[in-house]
Amino acid sequence: KQEVTQIPAALSVPEGENLVLNCSFTDSAIYNLQWFRQDPGKGLTSLLLIQSSQREQTSGRLNASLDKSSGRSTLYIAASQPGDSATYLCAVGGAGSYQLTFGKGTKLSVIP
Amino acid sequence: DTGVSQDPRHKITKRGQNVTFRCDPISEHNRLYWYRQTLGQGPEFLTYFQNEAQLEKSRLLSDRFSAERPKGSFSTLEIQRTEQGDSAMYLCASSFERNTEAFFGQGTRLTVV
Repeated sequence: KQEVTQIPAALSVPEGENLVLNCSFTDSAIYNLQWFRQDPGKGLTSLLLIQSSQREQTSGRLNASLDKSSGRSTLYIAASQPGDSATYLCAVGGAGSYQLTFGKGTKLSVIP
Repeated sequence: DTGVSQDPRHKITKRGQNVTFRCDPISEHNRLYWYRQTLGQGPEFLTYFQNEAQLEKSRLLSDRFSAERPKGSFSTLEIQRTEQGDSAMYLCASSFERNTEAFFGQGTRLTVV
């Protein structure tokens, strides 16, 4: 059974700082990995999708990397802003299933 | 198209009552997913449809839960004889193909009292 872990559970940084969120998964037989953000009481907003054959994806100030063999992904946020404050969720698409398996998320607070 | 739409956004019901939620996916997406999320946890998979066929169900989907997707368009999730443990956010997502982004709706917040 796939298990996804996100560390740290919560992170507080001053505005303008660069930061890295971590995601690890136990089964390397994945189809893809997707990063989402979730604001309190809201649904999920897709940030980046990385296919299993890719090493990284970039969108604006966001860069996500994938190391399938070691079961790790990172989400790098450059020049953080207060509007980046949210919970960031990592989700893994398994090769033998249609479902996404989610971590518990990292709650990010960017202090002005 | 404005994205995945879910209705209602909030539902309060008494224990033992039946509730039904609706999800309208992005129009060209043939894949539809239901997830459940409780406070402080990531979403947990419930079920998956490809067009009108329900192809995968989680063990979380007890016999009190049923989902349908008639004609491969919108989907409904019904919970019969609700229990307090059913209180959660129910999220719907859709995607075009398997290896494309999944887009989520705003969710239906269910409170069972």
